[in-house]
Amino acid sequence: SAVISQKPSRDICQRGTSLTIQCQVDSQVTMMFWYRQQPGQSLTLIATANQGSEATYESGFVIDKFPISRPNLTFSTLTVSNMSPEDSSIYLCSARGPEGAYRGTQYFGPGTRLLVL
Amino acid sequence: DQQVKQNSPSLSVQEGRISILNCDYTNSMFDYFLWYKKYPAEGPTFLISISSIKDKNEDGRFTVFLNKSAKHLSLHIVPSQPGDSAVYFCAADGDGNQFYFGTGTSLTVIP
Repeated sequence: SAVISQKPSRDICQRGTSLTIQCQVDSQVTMMFWYRQQPGQSLTLIATANQGSEATYESGFVIDKFPISRPNLTFSTLTVSNMSPEDSSIYLCSARGPEGAYRGTQYFGPGTRLLVL
Repeated sequence: DQQVKQNSPSLSVQEGRISILNCDYTNSMFDYFLWYKKYPAEGPTFLISISSIKDKNEDGRFTVFLNKSAKHLSLHIVPSQPGDSAVYFCAADGDGNQFYFGTGTSLTVIP
């Protein structure tokens, strides 16, 4: 199994600022994802983090608002830019793999709880 | 458009009894389904899965049933234990890339 850590675990930020969340996986994985879980809502996929290239964003999410990096197979960052109170949410990093692993083996980090004032 | 739905936001069950969590989906292309369990302040953890070529998969106290014609799956927990109290998410996969998650059902097992 893969163990995923995220930093920070929580933060309180002011409107208009940006926060970068880091995600570290303890083994090489093929796919990394970023999800958002707003209060009372489901897990919503923001984007797939691609190694060495631009992330693939889901409908409703754009790179200018949520820039993502993935410099290698075990690390990714998500930045929440120009934050507003509506960005208050739990942000979850997820990973699938390694190559050839059982299809259903997708792991999640503990989440980053963000509150924007 | 919510492709995976969990219509019961919460469920309470007595310890030792059966817990049944339900999930419906709309996309007939989904061919792989999963259940995740989430405790407060933790990320979701994989619980059990089922492929569309099966209608039942069992793992200890957890059994998932799939009814493809009804586009419905359910998770049975027998016997329920207080440690099972958590939020359970149903998820579906159709292309091997993205999982579509339901909104979750909060299960409380009463001692």
